[in-house]
Amino acid sequence: AQSVSQHNHHVILSEAASLELGCNYSYGGTVNLFWYVQYPGQHLQLLLKYFSGDPLVKGIKGFEAEFIKSKFSFNLRKPSVQWSDTAEYFCAVSRRDYGQNFVFGPGTRLSVLP
Amino acid sequence: DTAVSQTPKYLVTQMGNDKSIKCEQNLGHDTMYWYKQDSKKFLKIMFSYNNKELIINETVPNRFSPKSPDKAHLNLHINSLELGDSAVYFCASSQGYGEAFFGQGTRLTVV
Repeated sequence: AQSVSQHNHHVILSEAASLELGCNYSYGGTVNLFWYVQYPGQHLQLLLKYFSGDPLVKGIKGFEAEFIKSKFSFNLRKPSVQWSDTAEYFCAVSRRDYGQNFVFGPGTRLSVLP
Repeated sequence: DTAVSQTPKYLVTQMGNDKSIKCEQNLGHDTMYWYKQDSKKFLKIMFSYNNKELIINETVPNRFSPKSPDKAHLNLHINSLELGDSAVYFCASSQGYGEAFFGQGTRLTVV
């Protein structure tokens, strides 16, 4: 069965620190990859997505992610976090040969200290 | 002009009751979903509909029944509610292989 794992359950950083959140998936076929953010009490919003082409994708709010096919990874990065980045971050994968089924990782809670 | 809208936002009900959550999307998407988010924030897909046809039905008790009257609507009906059904339920939609757009969520509390 397809699965998505995220390396950290809870990350605590100070403002201006750099961020990297790990994401790995288990499926070997063609996949689309996503990072979503969920601010406290809100719904999921798309940060960025990868379908094909340049493996380094840029998203909103200064976030970027790198797809490394050989490692089945899609890590999220931000060079300098802000207090307002405090949220839950979800990696998601959809398989092109399995209709549209977004499988989400368990999420990583990011707490940014002012 | 909300893209994916769910009602109600909050739902508090007693065990054994039957309740429905409605979802509508105005994006013209052909696929809609229901996800359940538990207290640990884990997101699990429940159902997926493509052009009103059920395409994914994960292991969900048959007390949960989705209904899609047209491709812009996907409602979720829950019979005989149990304490363990308490969660946040998210509706979402997508088009082709694009990203999913989520509704604001419905926080269901069963007492």
